[in-house]
Amino acid sequence: NAGVTQTPKFQVLKTGQSMTLQCAQDMNHEYMSWYRQDPGMGLRLIHYSVGAGITDQGEVPNGYNVSRSTTEDFPLRLLSAAPSQTSVYFCASSYGGQGNYGYTFGSGTRLTVV
Amino acid sequence: AQSVTQPDIHITVSEGASLELRCNYSYGATPYLFWYVQSPGQGLQLLLKYFSGDTLVQGIKGFEAEFKRSQSSFNLRKPSVHWSDAAEYFCAVGAGNYGGSQGNLIFGKGTKLSVKP
Repeated sequence: NAGVTQTPKFQVLKTGQSMTLQCAQDMNHEYMSWYRQDPGMGLRLIHYSVGAGITDQGEVPNGYNVSRSTTEDFPLRLLSAAPSQTSVYFCASSYGGQGNYGYTFGSGTRLTVV
Repeated sequence: AQSVTQPDIHITVSEGASLELRCNYSYGATPYLFWYVQSPGQGLQLLLKYFSGDTLVQGIKGFEAEFKRSQSSFNLRKPSVHWSDAAEYFCAVGAGNYGGSQGNLIFGKGTKLSVKP
């Protein structure tokens, strides 16, 4: 029972590089989202998806892209990394396309942009 | 707009003492309310949730929370804290049983709990 799997766990990027944070869930959840966590800021929503082929922006979407080609996967792409994107990134999923049943979170990706 | 306020950034309690973590929300309709816990270096784990019905909800690890509409609060409590409860706690509010943007959760900034032996 893997739940929500995020890879990699740690990553260091140089300013201007691009990369993809991977997120996969095996619970057949329709609802998936990406949050970033910064000290003293709590969790802020980057992008979310209510099902395959459907994505939308959250509170802090600039500099990030997402796609949802399958129910299981929801990758987050950093187009041109900036130091302001240094953060811990969490992927989460929820049953039935309704986040309000409570999310299951991955263990996070700690990203440092130098 | 929805918002969540956790007034206490850091709380220290002695092991065996009782605990109450405060959470206030702003939302026009009946909210969906959650408490999550995050141990260092880990993801968030759902402690409990409130949708409707009994305003006192029981969660995992001996935690409970009480929804008070008149005070717009959803405080988390535990009668006797264990050293393993040291973690960061997040309160969150959701818009209701809808899809789209209303399915998202808004999180408070968290309360860090330290436990003294």
